[in-house]
Amino acid sequence: NAGVTQTPKFRILKIGQSMTLQCTQDMNHNYMYWYRQDPGMGLKLIYYSVGAGITDKGEVPNGYNVSRSTTEDFPLRLELAAPSQTSVYFCASNFLAGKSQETQYFGPGTRLLVL
Amino acid sequence: GDSVTQMEGPVTLSEEAFLTINCTYTATGYPSLFWYVQYPGEGLQLLLKATKADDKGSNKGFEATYRKETTSFHLEKGSVQVSDSAVYFCALSSTDKLIFGTGTRLQVFP
Repeated sequence: NAGVTQTPKFRILKIGQSMTLQCTQDMNHNYMYWYRQDPGMGLKLIYYSVGAGITDKGEVPNGYNVSRSTTEDFPLRLELAAPSQTSVYFCASNFLAGKSQETQYFGPGTRLLVL
Repeated sequence: GDSVTQMEGPVTLSEEAFLTINCTYTATGYPSLFWYVQYPGEGLQLLLKATKADDKGSNKGFEATYRKETTSFHLEKGSVQVSDSAVYFCALSSTDKLIFGTGTRLQVFP
């Protein structure tokens, strides 16, 4: 199993450009998550998905969009990049049968710099 | 709302020293508690967890006990190594999400 994979590893964007951060998991997990980690800060949840076709906002969703057309993939879209979106982005996944949270498995992260 | 508070870092120790990283939480209900570790340049990985009061999670010489009376889940290790240098995150389960603390950087010197 590759686990959770993310591409690209690093990207520089100009203000106003758009891009998609890719995330794929091969563990047949139903839940997937996107977090951002700002320097010296903890993780903040951007969006999450409980299954294909279902997404919901997290703590900091503004400026981002997501979709979940398959169980495996959960791309994160930035439409109009702003310097405030400079961060490291982590995708995670797990399998939940009930409401109790279990271990999340994280990807290696995408470092994004917006200039 | 639910929250996690961790001691600020960095924590700087010599090899073989005793480690404690404090974590306290505020939650409704009975959350599960987690410690995740992030090594330089990598994503987070689970270090240990506890699912109910008085449970002790342990892994790689680290341990933490779920204390409901003090709403705490402090991370301890008896003898740290240089390879333990990383950022440690405390987290709790909140319905179908995790709430993370801000992280504590540990630096261990030979």
